[in-house]
Parts: sequence; C-alpha cells; structure tokens
Amino acid sequence: DTAVSQTPKYLVTQMGNDKSIKCEQNLGHDTMYWYKQDSKKFLKIMFSYNNKELIINETVPNRFSPKSPDKAHLNLHINSLELGDSAVYFCASSQGLGDSATDTQYFGPGTRLTVL
Amino acid sequence: GQNIDQPTEMTATEGAIVQINCTYQTSGFNGLFWYQQHAGEAPTFLSYNVLDGLEEKGRFSSFLSRSKGYSYLLLKELQMKDSASYLCAVKGGDYKLSFGAGTTVTVRA
Repeated sequence: DTAVSQTPKYLVTQMGNDKSIKCEQNLGHDTMYWYKQDSKKFLKIMFSYNNKELIINETVPNRFSPKSPDKAHLNLHINSLELGDSAVYFCASSQGLGDSATDTQYFGPGTRLTVL
Repeated sequence: GQNIDQPTEMTATEGAIVQINCTYQTSGFNGLFWYQQHAGEAPTFLSYNVLDGLEEKGRFSSFLSRSKGYSYLLLKELQMKDSASYLCAVKGGDYKLSFGAGTTVTVRA
C-alpha cells in the first residue's frame, strides 16, 4: 500500500540514450511533481502537474518531457542523456494545487540515475 | 530567488538534544517545512510552520520567526534512528517549495 511509488529504483545507462521513469500515487492527490536531487543534496523542482495539466515548468532542458496520462501518474522521459543528468529523481504528490500554504508534499522513494 | 541556509553537519549523543537552524530569504512566504531524509530514501514530512511560534510533535519541535527569516528544528531524546539528513524547505510567494541543502545529523552511542 505504498503511497507514492517510482520505477525503476536504479537506472544505469549510456550517454545519448533515451530513458523513462514512472511515478504513481494512490493517495487521491490532484498534484504531482518531479524533483532532481544532485550530488550536493539540493532538491530542485522540475515540473508540476495538476489533474494532468502542467502548472510548473522550471528552467529544465527540453530533453526532459513529463507526461501525465491521468492524475495518479506522472512519468518523466529524458532524451539524449548526458553525464550531468546523473542524480536522484524524486516524484512527489500533494492534495491541492500547491497554492495552499498547508499543502504538504509526499515523496516517492527516488530513482537513482547514473549516466556513463 | 530563494536563499535557504542550514548547517551541513551536526553530531550529538544518544539521549541528547540537537537544534538545527535554518535561515531564509525568499520572495514571499507561505510556510516553512521540515523533512527528514535517511540515506538512500525519500524525504518524509516532519513539520510545518506558517505562524510565528513553536509547534511541538512528540520528540520533534519546530520554531518560526517570520520577521527574522529564521526557523529551527529541535530533536529531543535523540535515538540512533534519528541519524539522517534534515531538510528545511520554504514555500515562497509563488507556492513553489525551495529546499536547503540539508543538515546531516549523526547520533553517537
């Protein structure tokens, strides 16, 4: 009965490849997020979707494309992977739009991406 | 932009108290969150403050002073399982959550 799940947990791939990371939440939340945590441990927002609509799109290379088939799923597709993409990617979800001060985000277990 | 500062590391003894400080400068303010992150795991929500003062939750308490741009997380009666990274995160005027780099707390027997 995992609340926010991600697959795969580990992903090792070569530069130039295309890969996808999947995220699912069973909390009934309306908003989902993708974060990147780099080697210095900073968690940075990349994207946010509310009911399948993109609401946050930070300055991220357009090689990264999120897709939300329904409000319980938010996948991240990465084209032409580069060395600098190596990081841990976390999915999160929250009840509302994130425009409420009390809207708490719940995180998935993370996907550790290593680009060789 | 957002600027959130917290110490990199802290060490304490089992049973002791540790206070993790966080200072922030943000464009607008809609609350401050503390998360706990064990190595290789997801951040988990600990506390939320939007008004000045102290919020207590069992062994953990969090304090906020909006005028000073300052918060702290207080961990009491430390246990070995409290060894983790503690992330301070601020929700700015745009309601985006910005995280500090985290404070790694090591609890020693």
